Amino acid sequence: SQTIHQWPATLVQPVGSPLSLECTVEGTSNPNLYWYRQAAGRGLQLLFYSVGIGQISSEVPQNLSASRPQDRQFILSSKKLLLSDSGFYLCAWIPGQGARHYGYTFGSGTRLTVV
Amino acid sequence: SQQGEEDPQALSIQEGENATMNCSYKTSINNLQWYRQNSGRGLVHLILIRSNEREKHSGRLRVTLDTSKKSSSLLITASRAADTASYFCATDQIQGAQKLVFGQGTRLTINP
Repeated sequence: SQTIHQWPATLVQPVGSPLSLECTVEGTSNPNLYWYRQAAGRGLQLLFYSVGIGQISSEVPQNLSASRPQDRQFILSSKKLLLSDSGFYLCAWIPGQGARHYGYTFGSGTRLTVV
Repeated sequence: SQQGEEDPQALSIQEGENATMNCSYKTSINNLQWYRQNSGRGLVHLILIRSNEREKHSGRLRVTLDTSKKSSSLLITASRAADTASYFCATDQIQGAQKLVFGQGTRLTINP
């Protein structure tokens, strides 16, 4: 069966420090992968998505970047965190290769607090 | 940008009552999806309705879609305390790449 792993679950980082959040998917090949951010009490904002290795699309210009070094690995990074980067970060996947009409499977999220 | 707008933002009902949440969107879609999020957790997919469908059922859930009004509703019948959560609608738009755009959500509280 397919599973998605996201870590760490919580993170407290000082302003100006780097960030690396990792998401991996098991049990499927060539998935579409997504990074969302959720501010407290709000909806989800799409940050990045990827349809294949090395293929990254950015939705929101910001202090963050994403990479997909392997088919089932998606990494969210920052060189220098800002206070405004605080939030709940969620990774998600769906079958790729143009498959439509699938529900997204989300990871359990990372709560990032920048202090 | 946020595509879906949900109404109400918060809803509090008694256990056993029905809960209805509404979602409106702006652009043409391939499908509309509803998700549930328990506090501090990831989102769980509930149901997907395609643009050529008008109504769909799954257990105690009933979803309707009116593409002419660009709106959808989620009905939870015979609510239970365990239904307490935030509910989000999300749209897969026809234009552009395959990605979901989420609304702001409805916070549902079921009182025992």
